[in-house]
Amino acid sequence: QSALTQPASVSGSPGQSITISCTGTSSDIGANNYVSWYQQHPGKAPKLMIYDVNNRPSGVSNRFSGSKSGNTASLTISGLQAEDEADYFCNSFTSSGTRVFGGGTKLTVL
Amino acid sequence: EAQLVESGGGLVQPGGSLRLSCAAPGFIFSDSAIHWVRQASGKGLEWVGRMSAKAKNYAAVYAVSVKGRFTISRDDSENTAYLQMNSLKADDTAVYYCSRTHSNFHAFDIWGQGTMVTVSS
Repeated sequence: QSALTQPASVSGSPGQSITISCTGTSSDIGANNYVSWYQQHPGKAPKLMIYDVNNRPSGVSNRFSGSKSGNTASLTISGLQAEDEADYFCNSFTSSGTRVFGGGTKLTVL
Repeated sequence: EAQLVESGGGLVQPGGSLRLSCAAPGFIFSDSAIHWVRQASGKGLEWVGRMSAKAKNYAAVYAVSVKGRFTISRDDSENTAYLQMNSLKADDTAVYYCSRTHSNFHAFDIWGQGTMVTVSS
């Protein structure tokens, strides 16, 4: 199972919006709606930000949103804040019952 | 507060074995599938494998990279899961996290702090 494809890095200024893409195949992202997104600050454990494509857990800012089209999922962060600077990873359930992560995207807030 | 706590990491020689533990104080462990995820230094997250809850017959699946070398087990009476790692290679060097999914919630909502495994002579 190959890793999902994410851009290595994205950047934006405070207040702007950015979108991180996550491209898979018809055997993972395209096969179900169990796509989730995780935020990871240096030296910390990942934190769930989006589940089932476009749902936010309690306590996660509504500035974070998710979507999916075909084999590609996306995470959008609006109103960028300095605290959003982190690594972001997507994850998908696969048709073989396993899980696969994206390679990760480093978000820089300029 | 629900949490997971990993332990058992350390330095091991290539070809050696190590067993990691994942304890779950604070929530009903038996309802959860337990996953192991690893992260090499400066790299991304890699899903290692998972063991389902009793309701799904404790089914286990593994990533191709560890299949046949790693085994996940669990003791629900102790609220603890394990990752037995055999025939370790330098490429297995990473921080190992345990996490969970549960019922119809398919995302990893609780993570441990991670435990470091270093495979080196």
